[in-house]
Amino acid sequence: GENVEQHPSTLSVQEGDSAVIKCTYSDSASNYFPWYKQELGKGPQLIIDIRSNVGEKKDQRIAVTLNKTAKHFSLHITETQPEDSAVYFCAASKGNTGNQFYFGTGTSLTVIP
Amino acid sequence: NAGVTQTPKFQVLKTGQSMTLQCAQDMNHNSMYWYRQDPGMGLRLIYYSASEGTTDKGEVPNGYNVSRLNKREFSLRLESAAPSQTSVYFCASSEVLAGETQYFGPGTRLLVL
Repeated sequence: GENVEQHPSTLSVQEGDSAVIKCTYSDSASNYFPWYKQELGKGPQLIIDIRSNVGEKKDQRIAVTLNKTAKHFSLHITETQPEDSAVYFCAASKGNTGNQFYFGTGTSLTVIP
Repeated sequence: NAGVTQTPKFQVLKTGQSMTLQCAQDMNHNSMYWYRQDPGMGLRLIYYSASEGTTDKGEVPNGYNVSRLNKREFSLRLESAAPSQTSVYFCASSEVLAGETQYFGPGTRLLVL
């Protein structure tokens, strides 16, 4: 099956700085890569996703990049704010029957005011 | 729309007891999922249902059973709870099975003594 590795496991940044979280995947057939944000005591919420036919996608302060050759994708958060503090998960999926999402182990992001 | 709802929010069981976790979605989604979340291990798929009337095993199905009661509801049953099943359980749904965003419920925190 797919193996998704996520780094770092914890990340602290000063408010206003940028944060980058990286994930690698093992199955070259994976073609859908969502990122989820999980706040304390809540379920994960999708914040951005990218499909394998696209190299980069942006949504305001959040961007995701995908390198299919190297099998890695990254989440970039610019101008971080305290409300960005949460656990972030990446995932990979083949997008076919069985659609199992394989999740990374999570990154706990703390934005220091 | 309430989205994905789960009951109960918290449960304590003794080893050997049984219980059913309930999940319902009001987004008219075809596919539903059950995950468990353990510290340092991300989210792991237990079972999923591609559509009403079908269920399939995920990555960690042992010790669990599921029922897709109708399009809205997908329940997870622990027949004989074990301490290793102490975890946070999340239900999710998506419009279709292949490569689509999954929407998560708020989770059920289960403690097995």
